[in-house]
Amino acid sequence: EAGVAQSPRYKIIEKRQSVAFWCNPISGHATLYWYQQILGQGPKLLIQFQNNGVVDDSQLPKDRFSAERLKGVDSTLKIQPAKLEDSAVYLCASSPPGLASHEQFFGPGTRLTVL
Amino acid sequence: DQQVKQNSPSLSVQEGRISILNCDYTNSMFDYFLWYKKYPAEGPTFLISISSIKDKNEDGRFTVFLNKSAKHLSLHIVPSQPGDSAVYFCAALFPAGYGGSQGNLIFGKGTKLSVKP
Repeated sequence: EAGVAQSPRYKIIEKRQSVAFWCNPISGHATLYWYQQILGQGPKLLIQFQNNGVVDDSQLPKDRFSAERLKGVDSTLKIQPAKLEDSAVYLCASSPPGLASHEQFFGPGTRLTVL
Repeated sequence: DQQVKQNSPSLSVQEGRISILNCDYTNSMFDYFLWYKKYPAEGPTFLISISSIKDKNEDGRFTVFLNKSAKHLSLHIVPSQPGDSAVYFCAALFPAGYGGSQGNLIFGKGTKLSVKP
């Protein structure tokens, strides 16, 4: 079974520029999550999708971050404009439906450096 | 304010001995706890979980203990192997419908385990 795919793996941009990350979850997983992991911290949820609908985006800085999952499969997370404090690893995760949904499967992440 | 705390940033253990990783939490409403393992440049990988209605769950070399009265859980690895060297994250989940999404994993900061041959 293929895992969660993310691209790019690394991205370096200057502050005020825009950047987008892509995620393809495990086939059949209806729920998709984006987490931000700042160095030395645990991952923090940014947004959760159930199919193509947003379940929770309460911790997403909506003035600069946006995310979509138009067809209920792939998802993109965008930052526009980026700030220095956005430097972090952005992790995408997915989970299957049913009782096992407490287990989330993570992709390798995209490491963003904002200069 | 951190709801899930891992107060030991690092732990070093000799191969073959027991590794004990600790985690404390502050919110008694958490109903599920998970441990994730993370190697450098990879995403976290699920290791083991425990429901709040249990006090122990075992899977091979890995055992998680939950002490609800102390709001404390621990992960035991016996025997420890060099391949266990990684960062271990403790995470907690609220029950469905409680104050936000049921999928919001609340993570601790992690403990870096080093198992020496």
